[in-house]
Amino acid sequence: SQQGEEDPQALSIQEGENATMNCSYKTSINNLQWYRQNSGRGLVHLILIRSNEREKHSGRLRVTLDTSKKSSSLLITASRAADTASYFCATNSGGSNYKLTFGKGTLLTVNP
Amino acid sequence: SQTIHQWPATLVQPVGSPLSLECTVEGTSNPNLYWYRQAAGRGLQLLFYSVGIGQISSEVPQNLSASRPQDRQFILSSKKLLLSDSGFYLCAWRATVEGPEAFFGQGTRLTVV
Repeated sequence: SQQGEEDPQALSIQEGENATMNCSYKTSINNLQWYRQNSGRGLVHLILIRSNEREKHSGRLRVTLDTSKKSSSLLITASRAADTASYFCATNSGGSNYKLTFGKGTLLTVNP
Repeated sequence: SQTIHQWPATLVQPVGSPLSLECTVEGTSNPNLYWYRQAAGRGLQLLFYSVGIGQISSEVPQNLSASRPQDRQFILSSKKLLLSDSGFYLCAWRATVEGPEAFFGQGTRLTVV
């Protein structure tokens, strides 16, 4: 079952614009993570935000977490063509710290 | 440093043939290991995870099985492949005990014909 659900499913922007992707989840979490996947490749971890944090930054990435709404957002500022990829949120689910489940992802296309 | 190896990168197999995909991790001990499948343009479906040698948890009952014969080796198998087994298979590992970040292999593109 999918724990996280990202929206939008697809997002197309111009280089230099900001891209915002959202993730909603169903059960309580210890942390929420965002990953990136280039076409046909494995996923790469981008950033983690813990349940007691509300906002976190890493370079051009900004993640927010609202545990009351069970939602998170990933903002990529000043996007580049190289940011074109699929982005997934991931959480531990089912009360287990071992199971890591992913949403369906947002396909981001940054046009040069 | 830790590395994860997954092979083969691509595989074309006839319906009814067996399958064996292998994943090994280097540079860490007792990792949590995962097999995911990703259908075209879709999210990741967790198939199996393992917290130790011989310990396998199955998430989706299906035509596949997994084994962990050694601490850092995780194998995905099938006795008879179905067309619906086609997809992109990803192996991943995390450090033991709530290690949050997962590290992924490069994936195996399986096409069953």
